[in-house]
Amino acid sequence: QKEVEQNSGPLSVPEGAIASLNCTYSDRGSQSFFWYRQYSGKSPELIMSIYSNGDKEDGRFTAQLNKASQYVSLLIRDSQPSDSATYLCAVRYSSASKIIFGSGTRLSIRP
Amino acid sequence: GAGVSQTPSNKVTEKGKYVELRCDPISGHTALYWYRQSLGQGPEFLIYFQGTGAADDSGLPNDRFFAVRPEGSVSTLKIQRTERGDSAVYLCASSFGEDQPQHFGDGTRLSIL
Repeated sequence: QKEVEQNSGPLSVPEGAIASLNCTYSDRGSQSFFWYRQYSGKSPELIMSIYSNGDKEDGRFTAQLNKASQYVSLLIRDSQPSDSATYLCAVRYSSASKIIFGSGTRLSIRP
Repeated sequence: GAGVSQTPSNKVTEKGKYVELRCDPISGHTALYWYRQSLGQGPEFLIYFQGTGAADDSGLPNDRFFAVRPEGSVSTLKIQRTERGDSAVYLCASSFGEDQPQHFGDGTRLSIL
């Protein structure tokens, strides 16, 4: 079983709608959770980090964490064509440990 | 510089050759990470440094891979006796501390013929 699991997609969402991206992780002791956006041929860019159960909002992005269910999600409101990219979920067990990435979900926003 | 700098941006070499990939982190960032990314996959952890020392090298696939960071700034990833399976994008990231967000460089695309 992979440590961090994501649906590879592609996930197609109409412009202006909410895109919902999901991620599960296997290590129950994980403490830090991250969402990165990666455009084709580019390096990953951090868009959200979350450390506590519940929701964290930043502009059009909301990260949701449920440690009991070992589940983290990213919501993108008012989706724009520029949001089309691969979204990588990443998990860190403790502050001094490596980050494990999922394989990413490819998101496509259709005009 | 303003961001993480990786050189070269592309490297093509023959099977069996030795390669060195360089990463210059953001100034003041003490933590430095190396990842490898294959097409359609997420970055795969290789090694990370806190200062000059390797804090975790558990991701290095075998003894052909080695990395150094002698002065706590620039790091070099070294690959001996390259194999075709080593072909990937090698990403470097740095952060202000171990629990701070990581900032990635543009990567080195390594192709082994």
